[in-house]
Amino acid sequence: AQSVTQPDIHITVSEGASLELRCNYSYGATPYLFWYVQSPGQGLQLLLKYFSGDTLVQGIKGFEAEFKRSQSSFNLRKPSVHWSDAAEYFCAVGSWEYGNKLVFGAGTILRVKS
Amino acid sequence: NAGVMQNPRHLVRRRGQEARLRCSPMKGHSHVYWYRQLPEEGLKFMVYLQKENIIDESGMPKERFSAEFPKEGPSILRIQQVVRGDSAAYFCASSPPVSSGGETQYFGPGTRLLVL
Repeated sequence: AQSVTQPDIHITVSEGASLELRCNYSYGATPYLFWYVQSPGQGLQLLLKYFSGDTLVQGIKGFEAEFKRSQSSFNLRKPSVHWSDAAEYFCAVGSWEYGNKLVFGAGTILRVKS
Repeated sequence: NAGVMQNPRHLVRRRGQEARLRCSPMKGHSHVYWYRQLPEEGLKFMVYLQKENIIDESGMPKERFSAEFPKEGPSILRIQQVVRGDSAAYFCASSPPVSSGGETQYFGPGTRLLVL
């Protein structure tokens, strides 16, 4: 079965500090991967995506993520966090071999302290 | 270019009533997906539709839930005889044709359903 694990339910970082959110997946096919961000009461905004090629992908708002096939991971990073980054972050995987339906992790809530 | 539109944003129903949720995909998108987010959980896939066709409904509860995406108009997720356990946020996503980056799904703002 396909699954996505985000081990950290909550993370708190100081404004200006670096950030890494972890995502591990178990998937029977070659996946493509996404990170989405959700502010309270809002929809999901796409931060970045990986399909193939360069394993380090850049996204919006200064985020990046690195795909590591050997570790089945797709961790999200940002060198310097801003207070406006406080939100919930979801990692998701999909594949046309499984009909393009996304499998989501449970999410990581990011708190930013000033 | 407007994003994915969903309405209503909030819906309150009493047990036994029907809930009807609407989704208009982004312009040029022919694929629609519905997901459900229960409190403090991630999103769970429900159904995948193209115009006039259900492609994959493996995530839909077998009873009371149905979805359609007619030739004209928005996609509709219908929940009959709602129960308290149906209270959740329901998100619609759309994607372009496969040849145009169909892997990427863009999400609407969601409909928060509360069943009293």
